[in-house]
Amino acid sequence: ETGVTQSPTHLIKTRGQQVTLRCSSQSGHNTVSWYQQALGQGPQFIFQYYREEENGRGNFPPRFSGLQFPNYSSELNVNALELDDSALYLCASSLYGGDRGEQYFGPGTRLTVT
Amino acid sequence: ILNVEQSPQSLHVQEGDSTNFTCSFPSSNFYALHWYRWETAKSPEALFVMTLNGDEKKKGRISATLNTKEGYSYLYIKGSQPEDSATYLCAFTGNQFYFGTGTSLTVIP
Repeated sequence: ETGVTQSPTHLIKTRGQQVTLRCSSQSGHNTVSWYQQALGQGPQFIFQYYREEENGRGNFPPRFSGLQFPNYSSELNVNALELDDSALYLCASSLYGGDRGEQYFGPGTRLTVT
Repeated sequence: ILNVEQSPQSLHVQEGDSTNFTCSFPSSNFYALHWYRWETAKSPEALFVMTLNGDEKKKGRISATLNTKEGYSYLYIKGSQPEDSATYLCAFTGNQFYFGTGTSLTVIP
């Protein structure tokens, strides 16, 4: 296992609600990236955080937001949930500027929006 | 949107067979190509990071090659075992990670 943990493992929310997902990065890593994997697709990049600032964003609307804390752990917040937000959310930690951009993934949070 | 394609989508092989799958990616703005092995309910596990055209990497019975000029990488598994059953993902790194949809491998005992 990678040492990257995510919580919760699963959750169910209703359309219009808000959700917060959490990620603890691997020791020594200062960068966290978040991905969404919808059914039948590969993981899609949401955004990356480095030194508590957003450091790159994929094609996701502003209702997807994040935070990184001084201990490099991170949160992904999604407001005004839509049915299409149902997916597996992965976080990955890495060392910024580290060797070839290797990322280490957590096991994911499965979000179901009803 | 940058396209990373993997083929085949799924594969069933008998124990002991050797197999291979393909990852295709854009040949411009290449930085690195990553292979991950992902078992159900676990974290994706990094297999290889490849950066140079002509790179070949090996880890036990699994190996990979890279052609950055034509934009493809092959992953080979020699003598497949049931524990090799997983989804194999490749990711192209330009300014961010772009993943393929994966190849699901099932090894039948």
